[in-house]
Amino acid sequence: GAVVSQHPSRVICKSGTSVKIECRSLDFQATTMFWYRQFPKQSLMLMATSNEGSKATYEQGVEKDKFLINHASLTLSTLTVTSAHPEDSSFYICSARKAGTGVSPLHFGNGTRLTVT
Amino acid sequence: QQQVKQSPQSLIVQKGGIPIINCAYENTAFDYFPWYQQFPGKGPALLIAIRPDVSEKKEGRFTISFNKSAKQFSLHIMDSQPGDSATYFCAASSYGNTGKLIFGQGTTLQVKP
Repeated sequence: GAVVSQHPSRVICKSGTSVKIECRSLDFQATTMFWYRQFPKQSLMLMATSNEGSKATYEQGVEKDKFLINHASLTLSTLTVTSAHPEDSSFYICSARKAGTGVSPLHFGNGTRLTVT
Repeated sequence: QQQVKQSPQSLIVQKGGIPIINCAYENTAFDYFPWYQQFPGKGPALLIAIRPDVSEKKEGRFTISFNKSAKQFSLHIMDSQPGDSATYFCAASSYGNTGKLIFGQGTTLQVKP
């Protein structure tokens, strides 16, 4: 149990376009989802906390107008990279925690490799 | 205060060896300490986690040792296998901080046959 599915796994887009990444909790409800970014051979950096039915909370230095997060249901959060540029190329990973379980295991998706040309 | 410092950056052991990865934190509000394993191109997978009320936890070949006074914790992998070759991340979070995980820098482990 506790499967998090992320789609797409890879995406290539042209500079200036927008890309949407979906994160779904398949067998549990998640009131909170987290979005991370990982550059090659580096750690996971938290971008934002996504709360169902409310605005996302962004970490310092993350542009909320560039990285749009929507958490419309208990099983789906989306990250839209708007007006993407080559420096946005990275591995984006979402994670989710079962609703009502406080500080309990975070389950991660398999990530989305974004390449902006 | 939000940092979690992890060492070493990389580690090479022979099959059957016991690699040890160390992490240190500053924020005393942290109350949940998981370890994740990540293979290239994949998301992290939870290995084992510990809370500060215990000093050691074992799950299979993986053991976490926790030293609350020193604010340090470590991962031991018993009887390591080539299939354990991956990047390992420690992390920490606190319930009062929305439960968001702060990750260490990662350790790339290579287990030689």
